[in-house]
Amino acid sequence: DADVTQTPRNRITKTGKRIMLECSQTKGHDRMYWYRQDPGLGLRLIYYSFDVKDINKGEISDGYSVSRQAQAKFSLSLESAIPNQTALYFCATSATGGLHEQFFGPGTRLTVL
Amino acid sequence: AQSVTQPDIHITVSEGASLELRCNYSYGATPYLFWYVQSPGQGLQLLLKYFSGDTLVQGIKGFEAEFKRSQSSFNLRKPSVHWSDAAEYFCAVSASYDKVIFGPGTSLSVIP
Repeated sequence: DADVTQTPRNRITKTGKRIMLECSQTKGHDRMYWYRQDPGLGLRLIYYSFDVKDINKGEISDGYSVSRQAQAKFSLSLESAIPNQTALYFCATSATGGLHEQFFGPGTRLTVL
Repeated sequence: AQSVTQPDIHITVSEGASLELRCNYSYGATPYLFWYVQSPGQGLQLLLKYFSGDTLVQGIKGFEAEFKRSQSSFNLRKPSVHWSDAAEYFCAVSASYDKVIFGPGTSLSVIP
């Protein structure tokens, strides 16, 4: 079984809709991250969390929100989706003191029409 | 501010040929350095990492990378490429407690 899972894997939605992307992990890691990937830009950090009570903005948090429901679950929400948010979204985890090595989920491809 | 550049957007090599993917970073001290690979439809997988010590590091799938402080580079190499190596490759650096910065990626195509 995969250590980091993301649901859904693909989603098409319309402008203005609220959408939630979910991430679960069985690695027992405290740290979790959300990135978006756009061609030619690599991965950009949206939000990150170092434990259940810790939420931090990344470099591109505008238009997004997150919820850390448990150590193993970290959700990303788009309150009102816009076409500019069409991208590939990745969840990742890392261990505290693990020298920053991150483990990635398979990604969610989101299309906003 | 930290940054990572990968000068080659796309590289095409023949199967069996050698490969070198370039990565340069900007940071005042020695950061933690990583190479990740992303196969089509999959997430990123760690190929190798450098923290300290020997500047030539070995990774999975026959890859290696060399850290050159004087050039602020961490180039990825493989002596003989296989068709299954076709993927997107990302260099990444981490020099602070909470962030990893990824380069824009290099797309590798392999000609049979």
